[in-house]
Amino acid sequence: AQTVTQSQPEMSVQEAETVTLSCTYDTSESDYYLFWYKQPPSRQMILVIRQEAYKQQNATENRFSVNFQKAAKSFSLKISDSQLGDAAMYFCAYRSKGNQFYFGTGTSLTVIP
Amino acid sequence: SQTIHQWPATLVQPVGSPLSLECTVEGTSNPNLYWYRQAAGRGLQLLFYSVGIGQISSEVPQNLSASRPQDRQFILSSKKLLLSDSGFYLCAWSAGWAGVGEAFFGQGTRLTVV
Repeated sequence: AQTVTQSQPEMSVQEAETVTLSCTYDTSESDYYLFWYKQPPSRQMILVIRQEAYKQQNATENRFSVNFQKAAKSFSLKISDSQLGDAAMYFCAYRSKGNQFYFGTGTSLTVIP
Repeated sequence: SQTIHQWPATLVQPVGSPLSLECTVEGTSNPNLYWYRQAAGRGLQLLFYSVGIGQISSEVPQNLSASRPQDRQFILSSKKLLLSDSGFYLCAWSAGWAGVGEAFFGQGTRLTVV
């Protein structure tokens, strides 16, 4: 099974500032998907952003962007202009060619007013 | 549009009792289906996934089993619950590889074994 590692159990950011969450993964596949999901206290899993491995261009969704380094197997999430509503647990996820989804252990993000 | 339903939302069961959690998907056909468990403050552990009726793959050998009696129905079961089965269980679905890539999740079931 592929492994996904999030080395930052907790992060904090001042409101309106920028924060970067880290994720690395281990795989021998060349084609796959990567995702960041947000889990607020309601525990509903919400997709933040997706990246297809064959696309070299980094994905962006409004204030959220990724830095995808395929050779380094790194996939970080940058949140710009942080808002109080961004406070949540963030999970990095990997989708294999076999259609399994593997998740990291999560990073708890606190936004300080 | 596609929707996923998971029930019950909360369940308290005694040790040794059976378990049945149900998940159904609407608005799509032949989805990939998944069961995850999330321990308190932890990540999501893939328990079972299915790419079609009768095709169930287990990621972690344990006290649980899964079945897919219909194309869009996925059931998580146990014959005898253990205290260690407590946790938050999430059902999810995804389209095929050529479709939208992400997984879509149900609301989850909080299971407490007492």
